[in-house]
Amino acid sequence: QKEVEQNSGPLSVPEGAIASLNCTYSDRGSQSFFWYRQYSGKSPELIMSIYSNGDKEDGRFTAQLNKASQYVSLLIRDSQPSDSATYLCAVRYGGSQGNLIFGKGTKLSVKP
Amino acid sequence: NAGVTQTPKFRILKIGQSMTLQCTQDMNHNYMYWYRQDPGMGLKLIYYSVGAGITDKGEVPNGYNVSRSTTEDFPLRLELAAPSQTSVYFCASTRGGADYGYTFGSGTRLTVV
Repeated sequence: QKEVEQNSGPLSVPEGAIASLNCTYSDRGSQSFFWYRQYSGKSPELIMSIYSNGDKEDGRFTAQLNKASQYVSLLIRDSQPSDSATYLCAVRYGGSQGNLIFGKGTKLSVKP
Repeated sequence: NAGVTQTPKFRILKIGQSMTLQCTQDMNHNYMYWYRQDPGMGLKLIYYSVGAGITDKGEVPNGYNVSRSTTEDFPLRLELAAPSQTSVYFCASTRGGADYGYTFGSGTRLTVV
């Protein structure tokens, strides 16, 4: 069973704080991991990808991958109200040509 | 570039009616996908295509059909619409390969009454 699990939230953080979003997956052989942001009523937008164990930083976003624990996370530093959205974790199953399996998403609310 | 274009953006169907959701991409991507998204249920894969003339079922294909006659177009056909097909439908594409995520269209919000 291909599963991607996320806490549905809502996760509420104050403006300027670090938001931490977590995701676990079931297939130990998965190689590619993605974070999407989805604003209410809009389509998912790719914000980060990660393939190797460790951290990957892009501006205020840091993706973290631990393949041994089958765990992916997304940190958002200096959170802004404009970061309020649902964040979807996606995992590629079945090799380099496999399809993405999406988690149900974590709703983040950043309070001014 | 327009990316992935979906039409229509909104549609109301009566039970038993049929319709086609259109999806076009201008990025020369081989891989295209149709997802539906229901509140709290995440994205569920309906059908996908790895190239012109090749399609395959995803997780929830019942009640839908697809075709892929060109690289650019991947229409989704709903036959005999049912209330259970009320959802938001997203088309996506990618060039393929482990390192590439999907680019999504803006979605079609479908209500079956």
